[in-house]
Amino acid sequence: DAKTTQPPSMDCAEGRAANLPCNHSTISGNEYVYWYRQIHSQGPQYIIHGLKNNETNEMASLIITEDRKSSTLILPHATLRDTAVYYCIATRGGDSGGGADGLTFGKGTHLIIQP
Amino acid sequence: DSGVTQTPKHLITATGQRVTLRCSPRSGDLSVYWYQQSLDQGLQFLIQYYNGEERAKGNILERFSAQQFPDLHSELNLSSLELGDSALYFCASSVASGGKSGYTFGSGTRLTVV
Repeated sequence: DAKTTQPPSMDCAEGRAANLPCNHSTISGNEYVYWYRQIHSQGPQYIIHGLKNNETNEMASLIITEDRKSSTLILPHATLRDTAVYYCIATRGGDSGGGADGLTFGKGTHLIIQP
Repeated sequence: DSGVTQTPKHLITATGQRVTLRCSPRSGDLSVYWYQQSLDQGLQFLIQYYNGEERAKGNILERFSAQQFPDLHSELNLSSLELGDSALYFCASSVASGGKSGYTFGSGTRLTVV
């Protein structure tokens, strides 16, 4: 997995968009960008992933720069329940045919939604 | 409910003992992954099984072992327990090896070694 760098913490006001950056400057061509979040000692929750194109689902949007060296996770209307640690992971994913497929979690970004 | 079931939710045991943690993957998922989360180490990948066979190993100690059974449930065995093994242990599952569609995690087993 490519190394990712995230700010240790961020604040966001409730109702506003939360934009979480991630740097993955050494990402290789076959590595996806995955985002997970963990709400206080619960199991991590998958949010979204992408390869090259921007992606959107019911939870969030993922914006990947054209050179793929960084990405931004956007929670469009943050609520108090979005307070969590958010992990950005660059990994091959898919049926890689072998090798370590376990995700490498860093320290993530602790997002605090303020009322 | 994520669909991944882990039992027990809490476990307290003494040093030197042996425990077994159980995981039932989401219906249809063939891969099971085990993770350890302690306060000072964060989430650490331990081991992966795919359709009954060991697929990948991470930072798993020799005192720890796992297996995946024909019904696809998995067990993580921890032996000669030490105080430092106290942690949250998570199981995750995915359809394929590598989890292209994302991994689904269980709610974890909190192990306390006293």
